Order: sequence, then structure tokens, then C-alpha cells
Amino acid sequence: EAQVTQNPRYLITVTGKKLTVTCSQNMNHEYMSWYRQDPGLGLRQIYYSMNVEVTDKGDVPEGYKVSRKEKRNFPLILESPSPNQTSLYFCASSLQDRGLETQYFGPGTRLLVL
Amino acid sequence: AQKITQTQPGMFVQEKEAVTLDCTYDTSDPSYGLFWYKQPSSGEMIFLIYQGSYDQQNATEGRYSLNFQKARKSANLVISASQLGDSAMYFCAMRDLTGFQKLVFGTGTRLLVSP
Repeated sequence: EAQVTQNPRYLITVTGKKLTVTCSQNMNHEYMSWYRQDPGLGLRQIYYSMNVEVTDKGDVPEGYKVSRKEKRNFPLILESPSPNQTSLYFCASSLQDRGLETQYFGPGTRLLVL
Repeated sequence: AQKITQTQPGMFVQEKEAVTLDCTYDTSDPSYGLFWYKQPSSGEMIFLIYQGSYDQQNATEGRYSLNFQKARKSANLVISASQLGDSAMYFCAMRDLTGFQKLVFGTGTRLLVSP
């Protein structure tokens, strides 16, 4: 089954404790992206990756890191989480050529930083 | 800069009636795609429908159709014959090539379908 998976689905942590949210897709997609969703703001892009070893900042990258060492995986790293990073996080992927393909989303990760 | 505007924070509709959710957009790129996603209370983002800027006809997917008016820069979602399971948040989004293919989202419209 074609899908984007994220782990963990739910996470409660404390300020300053490093964490990683994993994202994996089995569709051989080149383009992957991380978004955060906050009430009243919709979804905003954190980081994206056009291909392996190619990543760039989105609209709200502060406090986050990513890596793309292999095509299927795109982990999101919070080196020192803070309460303002409490949010719902989505990983998404799509094919990348010259088109504007649909992005498919993972199930989301709800993060609470105390 | 790309922008999506959804002016309806909430909408109510009775079961079996049709409902239109509004979306306007702004982009300077002549090539772009418009998307609608549904987010039920469980939280996942479900892709509903896609319209390309050069598509001549309005997109249709089952009970969903997209009323695309390019000159007015609007891409309204029409849901026909509403069902209780359509109650959810609905997001309009846009993707263009100048924005490195990122999706820009509106703030969403919460739809409540009543029996």
C-alpha cells in the first residue's frame, strides 16, 4: 500500500530534550516536506527536500533540522524543543518532475512540549 | 508571493444538500495547481481534488467539484449531496513552480453537516 508513515503519532516531552520525528514514504517520491499546523494559521512549511542530500528552509524553519540521506526517509529533528513548538506536524511527499503533483500526507504527529 | 484566502471560518449544511466552500488565491506564476484537502477530527489530511491552471475544464471527483474561475482567481469547492461524514475542516492549497513546489494553505473552513 502506497503511504507516508510518521512516528511517533503522539509525543509529550519537556523543554530542551532533543527529539526526532521520523517520516518514511514507499512511493519512490523525490520531493518531501514537513509542515506544522496551528489553530487559525493553517499549515506552514518548515523544511523541504527536492532529492537526496538536497534540503532547504520553508517558511518557519527556526528550531528545526532535517536530513535526507536516503530517498524514502526525511526525519525532523528538534535539537532543543520549546513550548512554542507544540503543534501538529505533517510529513508529505510527491513526485517531482516539471509538474505540480499532489502531495500525500502522513497521519500527523501531535507534539506537546512542556 | 503566493497566498490562499478562505473567508468562511465555518459553514453549516443539511444532509443531502449541496454546499460551496470559498477559496481565492494569489500568485504571479502562470503555472500552478490548486488543491482541496479534508481534515476530519482524527487529524489526517485527505486529498480531495486537484485543478491545474491550464486545465480547460473544472475538476470533478465523485461528489466533489471545483468551480475554477481563473480571471477571478477563485477555486471554490462544491460538495453535492452532503453526508454526515463530510463534517470536517477543509483546506484550500496552492502549489506553483516559483515557490519550489511548496503547498501554501488557507486557514480552513469547518463544515458541519446536520441530519
